[in-house]
Amino acid sequence: AQTVTQSQPEMSVQEAETVTLSCTYDTSESNYYLFWYKQPPSRQMILVIRQEAYKQQNATENRFSVNFQKAAKSFSLKISDSQLGDTAMYFCAFHYGGATNKLIFGTGTLLAVQP
Amino acid sequence: DTAVSQTPKYLVTQMGNDKSIKCEQNLGHDTMYWYKQDSKKFLKIMFSYNNKELIINETVPNRFSPKSPDKAHLNLHINSLELGDSAVYFCASNLGGSSTDTQYFGPGTRLTVL
Repeated sequence: AQTVTQSQPEMSVQEAETVTLSCTYDTSESNYYLFWYKQPPSRQMILVIRQEAYKQQNATENRFSVNFQKAAKSFSLKISDSQLGDTAMYFCAFHYGGATNKLIFGTGTLLAVQP
Repeated sequence: DTAVSQTPKYLVTQMGNDKSIKCEQNLGHDTMYWYKQDSKKFLKIMFSYNNKELIINETVPNRFSPKSPDKAHLNLHINSLELGDSAVYFCASNLGGSSTDTQYFGPGTRLTVL
């Protein structure tokens, strides 16, 4: 069974600095997708970034980038130039399609950006 | 225009009651999901439907009954509500089938059972 682990329940960063959130996963599949979702206090689930396992190049979206290490089954999220609006719970998620077309979430990391 | 919408956003009810949560998506997606987020913020799949057909039922108590009248709608009916049902329920959708297309979430429904 696939599992997703986020070992940092809470993190804090100063505005304008860089922070990295960790995520590891376990799977025997070779083709899958990984996601980072953000959940601000409004509780809306917002897609931050997505990575296809077959792509070696790390995904980037503006200030957000990932460090995808397939062999190590690691998928960390780097937020550069942190902004107050980045304060949220961040969830790492694994998605393997086929019959089990569902997202498996980690337990989340609560990120606080300090002014 | 809201892509995935849920009603109501908040629901407060007494133990033993029956309640429904509605979800609609206007993205043209084939697959819809219900996820439950508990008090510790853990998110877990409950059900998925592909084109009105039940695909995933993650050992949810049979007091929970999803219904999909068409592929744009997925409702969740809960009978005999219990205290432990208090949670945030999210609807989501994506292209579905064997696709690993991104899932888009609704705003969530916070259910409080007293």
